[in-house]
Amino acid sequence: GQQLNQSPQSMFIQEGEDVSMNCTSSSIFNTWLWYKQDPGEGPVLLIALYKAGELTSNGRLTAQFGITRKDSFLNISASIPSDVGIYFCAGHKGGGAQKLVFGQGTRLTINP
Amino acid sequence: GAVVSQHPSWVICKSGTSVKIECRSLDFQATTMFWYRQFPKQSLMLMATSNEGSKATYEQGVEKDKFLINHASLTLSTLTVTSAHPEDSSFYICSARRPTENSNQPQHFGDGTRLSIL
Repeated sequence: GQQLNQSPQSMFIQEGEDVSMNCTSSSIFNTWLWYKQDPGEGPVLLIALYKAGELTSNGRLTAQFGITRKDSFLNISASIPSDVGIYFCAGHKGGGAQKLVFGQGTRLTINP
Repeated sequence: GAVVSQHPSWVICKSGTSVKIECRSLDFQATTMFWYRQFPKQSLMLMATSNEGSKATYEQGVEKDKFLINHASLTLSTLTVTSAHPEDSSFYICSARRPTENSNQPQHFGDGTRLSIL
């Protein structure tokens, strides 16, 4: 099935550094979502974006819905150890099917 | 707090066994729930959309006779892996969306079920 192109696939950073990851698609999405998944658990919603150009923050997290509706980015500022995990972008095209399309994930590792 | 509950969290069973996984919406009624499968170090792949009171909609390549879905109430969907084999071992995750007039409400996920077939 279709997947979003998410990059980078993995990141190794020092505690306190900022993090940036993004997702792109060849088609338009009406909603962009960012989730975080810890080992052995389900994804937890971080930020939901509903309008092209929208910039939304959740604490140290900031995400934007690209103006073309074909991309989104997530930034994490001043990373801390609990930020470790896998981050997934997901897109929704709207309509009755309500299906989500996921990116491949970005695995974040933080060196203390 | 959690809005979607999934049970069991871990199952280990012999090949040929059928396994049932439950997904419950905790404080809302969900006419639609979703079932995903996730292999190690991979993303979530949608298996099927569970529709309350009607047949599930399966994604291409997913065997509906192998993965039986029942959505008999507005708060419960079940996935039964029939005659499970080692290749069915995976992490199965369900999700549900709060019903509102805004059709873009995000999906909330359960904590997943780790299925290991010996």
